[in-house]
Amino acid sequence: KQEVTQIPAALSVPEGENLVLNCSFTDSAIYNLQWFRQDPGKGLTSLLLIQSSQREQTSGRLNASLDKSSGRSTLYIAASQPGDSATYLCAVKGSNTGKLIFGQGTTLQVKP
Amino acid sequence: EPEVTQTPSHQVTQMGQEVILRCVPISNHLYFYWYRQILGQKVEFLVSFYNNEISEKSEIFDDQFSVERPDGSNFTLKIRSTKLEDSAMYFCASSEILVMNTEAFFGQGTRLTVV
Repeated sequence: KQEVTQIPAALSVPEGENLVLNCSFTDSAIYNLQWFRQDPGKGLTSLLLIQSSQREQTSGRLNASLDKSSGRSTLYIAASQPGDSATYLCAVKGSNTGKLIFGQGTTLQVKP
Repeated sequence: EPEVTQTPSHQVTQMGQEVILRCVPISNHLYFYWYRQILGQKVEFLVSFYNNEISEKSEIFDDQFSVERPDGSNFTLKIRSTKLEDSAMYFCASSEILVMNTEAFFGQGTRLTVV
């Protein structure tokens, strides 16, 4: 059974720092991995999708990597800003029905 | 930009009542999903739906739950005889037909409170 774990659970950094969020999964047979942002009490906003054949994806200040064989993904945020404060979720797609398995998230606080 | 729309944003219901949560997926998407997130817990998969039938469901999705696509645009989740533990944020999502290679887009959620 696929399990997704994210560490750390919470992170507080000063504005301007570069930071890395980690995601690990137990079954390497995945179709893709998706990173989401969730603001308090709100929905899930898709940030990046990495297909199983890809090593990384970039969008603006965000860069996500995938090492499928070791069951790991990282989300790198460059030059963090207070507006980046949110919970970041990773989710893996491990079936052909599209089901996503989520991690518990990393709650990021960027202090001005 | 196309988006998944969910209504209502917040619903309060009495235990034992039936509720229907509504979703309008992105118009050219063909796969539809419901997830839930109990406060402080992980987002959990409930059900996936394609071609007017359930393609996969979790063990959470028991006989209390049902899904329907009553017309060409809406996708609904019905919870019969709600329980206190059904209180959660319910998210609808949709994706294009190429399931493996496309993103899932989520709505803003319906917060269900069972009292």
